[in-house]
Amino acid sequence: NAGVTQTPKFQVLKTGQSMTLQCAQDMNHNSMYWYRQDPGMGLRLIYYSASEGTTDKGEVPNGYNVSRLNKREFSLRLESAAPSQTSVYFCATEREPDTGELFFGEGSRLTVL
Amino acid sequence: AQSVTQPDIHITVSEGASLELRCNYSYGATPYLFWYVQSPGQGLQLLLKYFSGDTLVQGIKGFEAEFKRSQSSFNLRKPSVHWSDAAEYFCALTGGFKTIFGAGTRLFVKA
Repeated sequence: NAGVTQTPKFQVLKTGQSMTLQCAQDMNHNSMYWYRQDPGMGLRLIYYSASEGTTDKGEVPNGYNVSRLNKREFSLRLESAAPSQTSVYFCATEREPDTGELFFGEGSRLTVL
Repeated sequence: AQSVTQPDIHITVSEGASLELRCNYSYGATPYLFWYVQSPGQGLQLLLKYFSGDTLVQGIKGFEAEFKRSQSSFNLRKPSVHWSDAAEYFCALTGGFKTIFGAGTRLFVKA
């Protein structure tokens, strides 16, 4: 039982390049989230999806787009990467119904030069 | 506005000593509260949660936390720390909005 799987685990980009972070879950949860983690700032919500076909902005959505491809998959895209987007990105799902209890992937460490 | 504050950026304790990590929150009603642990290079794992009822909640790995409404606190405790407890700990809050996290407290364990 894999839970929440993120790819890639590491990525280095140059400023202006684009990339997509992939997230897949086998927990059959409706809600999925993308957070970024920066030193001293905890986790900040980028985007979330309450169900297949719906997405909403979180606290720090600028520079990102998301796609909820189906119930299992939720991807995060950086169209034109900036050094400020250097971070560790976490995908999570939520135990239902709306418990706030999150299950996390292992993270994707992104460096933008 | 809702917020979570973890006053200690890092704490060092000796192995076998007791531990208390502080968490204060701001929210207008009774929240759902959580503690997560993050080992280096890993995602976050739920230690324990408070939804309602008994204000002292037990979690995994011998951790417990106490909800104190009057102090808006949800402190994490462990009677005897093991070297494997060295990690970063996050307090989190949800209450009809998406989960928000404190900045985290890094725990160092001395031999």
